[in-house]
Formats: sequence, structure tokens, C-alpha cells
Amino acid sequence: GPKVLQIPSHQIIDMGQMVTLNCDPVSNHLYFYWYKQILGQQMEFLVNFYNGKVMEKSKLFKDQFSVERPDGSYFTLKIQPTALEDSAVYFCASSPGPDYTFGSGTRLLVI
Amino acid sequence: GDSVTQTEGPVTLSEGTSLTVNCSYETKQYPTLFWYVQYPGEGPQLLFKVPKANEKGSSRGFEATYNKEATSFHLQKASVQESDSAVYYCALSDLNYAQGLTFGLGTRVSVFP
Repeated sequence: GPKVLQIPSHQIIDMGQMVTLNCDPVSNHLYFYWYKQILGQQMEFLVNFYNGKVMEKSKLFKDQFSVERPDGSYFTLKIQPTALEDSAVYFCASSPGPDYTFGSGTRLLVI
Repeated sequence: GDSVTQTEGPVTLSEGTSLTVNCSYETKQYPTLFWYVQYPGEGPQLLFKVPKANEKGSSRGFEATYNKEATSFHLQKASVQESDSAVYYCALSDLNYAQGLTFGLGTRVSVFP
């Protein structure tokens, strides 16, 4: 079936630096999401993006986080500056409505 | 806010035995309930979803009934195979699906031959 691609699959970055996580959603999907999963913990909703705007965000979506999808290209999650507690697996998902397709995740390690 | 609680893992089984993963939820709205499965190195994949109370969902021999009175959505399979080894997530989504999914902690299931 259609897939959500996430690039890169792994990223190691120094604390304080900026990181951009990329997501290529399913082509006809309109809603895009980021989730965060710390090792051993549950997957938690970060943000939903629709029609070029953030529709909903959780308390985990700190001021250092931003999302965009310029001109229908990658849907990105940018963290600037990064902190140690940002280390996690970040999953992108897209949906046409209440059906979600997830990517395989980007494993981010902040050192 | 919404919450999902499921059987704490890991769950270890022999092939051919039955599996039950309990799931209970809390929400003030009328959710759609989901079971997702996640294999190592991959994202969650939809197993099935049930949008209406008192209906059953099923896929690949797994099934669950949306029990609104008990606020439960327990996953069952009569006879597991080694290939069923994975992490299983119960999740819910409210009518405003812009808020995304609320996941349970996940239950790791390991099936041995």
C-alpha cells in the first residue's frame, strides 16, 4: 500500500544545534502529524498540520519546535535548539481523514 | 483528557495458544477505536479499526469488540503464530481527528515455536 517515507532514519546531533526531520506523506493525504516516542514509553501526539497551518498541538510541542510543508514538498519538523530530552523516535503520519499511515520513524539522539 | 490503558507486557506465548491483550479507554466523546501492530524498525500499521459501539473489528485472525458500556476493546486471537510477534497498540481517535490518535503504552508479544 501507499507509504510514508521518513528521512533520515537515524540522526545524532549535538545539543543546541538545529535538526530537521523530513517526511514524505502519502500523495493524496491532506492531514499530517508528528508523534514522539521515548524509549519504553507510549507514542504521543505532537502536532497536526492541515492546509498549510498547525491545527492542533500538544503540550509536548515546545516553542523550539516548528513544522512546515513548503510548496507540497516534505513535511518537516524542525527543532531549534535541540535539548537532551528531545532524544526519541519521531513518527510522521498522514491521513485523508480518520485513517492514518505512519512512517518508520526517525531515531534522534541528542548528545 | 483522553487515555488508553492496555495489558502490560511483555507477553510470551507458544505457537497455537490463544492471545488476549486488554485495552480500556477514557474519553468524554464518541471515539473510533484502533488496534495497531508494530514490527521492529517499522512504524505502526493499522490492524483494524471500529468506529461504532457494539461492533467487532477483525483482521488476520485478530478481533476486538467495541464495548461502550465497559469502555473496553480487548484484542484476541485464538491461535497465534511466531509471525505474530510484535508490539500491539490500542488507540482512540475522537470525532475531531485533527487531534490525532491517543495511544496506549503498547504490549510486546513474543511467540515461540
